[in-house]
Amino acid sequence: GNSVTQMEGPVTLSEEAFLTINCTYTATGYPSLFWYVQYPGEGLQLLLKATKADDKGSNKGFEATYRKETTSFHLEKGSVQVSDSAVYFCALLSSGGSYIPTFGRGTSLIVHP
Amino acid sequence: GAGVSQSPRYKVAKRGQDVALRCDPISGHVSLFWYQQALGQGPEFLTYFQNEAQLDKSGLPSDRFFAERPEGSVSTLKIQRTQQEDSAVYLCASSLYQAGAFFGQGTRLTVV
Repeated sequence: GNSVTQMEGPVTLSEEAFLTINCTYTATGYPSLFWYVQYPGEGLQLLLKATKADDKGSNKGFEATYRKETTSFHLEKGSVQVSDSAVYFCALLSSGGSYIPTFGRGTSLIVHP
Repeated sequence: GAGVSQSPRYKVAKRGQDVALRCDPISGHVSLFWYQQALGQGPEFLTYFQNEAQLDKSGLPSDRFFAERPEGSVSTLKIQRTQQEDSAVYLCASSLYQAGAFFGQGTRLTVV
């Protein structure tokens, strides 16, 4: 079956540091991949996506590249801000006809001033 | 509406009480999902609708959980005889095929 594995958190960084949150997946076929962000007390917001191998999704300074050879979709940002503190979820959508997204357990990011 | 709307935002239920959670998806979105999110965890799939058809309910934890979407738009998740382990945030999401799911703010259910 489909699954998503994310690095354990929390990830604690100082403002302007470089961020990487690792995500690997297991899926049949060629899934679409997503990153979502969840701020305290809120629902999940779609941050970026990639639908095929070597695609790069980007939004608000965050980037992730769909790597089929390593089945990975790591989230990166060159310079984090305090306002980026949130929980980040990696997700996949299988290409096999089921439109049900599968989520990882989430990685908490804490950015200190 | 502009986004997915869920109500109520917060619900406190006494153990044994029935509850109904409402989801109003983005207009025109064919797919609708319900997820359960425990504290500090990722969303766990409950059930999926395509228009009014419930195509997958494999994630519903027991027969106390029931979901419907009778006209292919608004959906209701009903939990009968609530128990403490039902306490969680219930998230609704909608999507247009594989474009990515858009989530509501969730309903936080606390069973006391």
